[in-house]
Amino acid sequence: DAGVIQSPRHEVTEMGQEVTLRCKPISGHDYLFWYRQTMMRGLELLIYFNNNVPIDDSGMPEDRFSAKMPNASFSTLKIQPSEPRDSAVYFCASSPPDRGDTEAFFGQGTRLTVV
Amino acid sequence: AQKVTQAQTEISVVEKEDVTLDCVYETRDTTYYLFWYKQPPSGELVFLIRRNSFDEQNEISGRYSWNFQKSTSSFNFTITASQVVDSAVYFCALSETSGYSTLTFGKGTMLLVSP
Repeated sequence: DAGVIQSPRHEVTEMGQEVTLRCKPISGHDYLFWYRQTMMRGLELLIYFNNNVPIDDSGMPEDRFSAKMPNASFSTLKIQPSEPRDSAVYFCASSPPDRGDTEAFFGQGTRLTVV
Repeated sequence: AQKVTQAQTEISVVEKEDVTLDCVYETRDTTYYLFWYKQPPSGELVFLIRRNSFDEQNEISGRYSWNFQKSTSSFNFTITASQVVDSAVYFCALSETSGYSTLTFGKGTMLLVSP
């Protein structure tokens, strides 16, 4: 398997623009997580899905952030409108059904810069 | 609530020195998993190890070893004979197994190994 695939790897956008980050989890994994990494706050969980259903979105910073998982092989994280403080590395990760006994597999991240 | 503390924000060593990265965790669960991840300068998160709370045996993998002590809620990571390629940020993480749980990460320790 190719692992968790995220796109784009780097994104630079202007404040106020809409940004969409994409993630393809590992086939067969039914948990999908979106994390954000910043210098100040470290790695934070934004939202996670189980079987395409959002389970916990309490980490989503505000209404400008939204995430969807229309099918088992694709998820998006959207920021609209984007702000400079959204600049961070966004990681997607997936886990198989028996996830308590295994690690989350992380994508390579999307480095977002909002200017 | 679960919490992971990595008190060392940055450690600098010279090649071939041994170095220990500390991790202290808090959880109310009796069953949980502990993890270490490595984040090299390239940015991806690389899984290193997973331990469950019932297995307190120390583990050794090449130059890496882990010391799990439930009595002190610690899961420390030692690199023996460090190498420049070990330079990275290392994250300790905790996952509870009751109900829906996700990885809670520490803030990370940046390890700099100089020649």
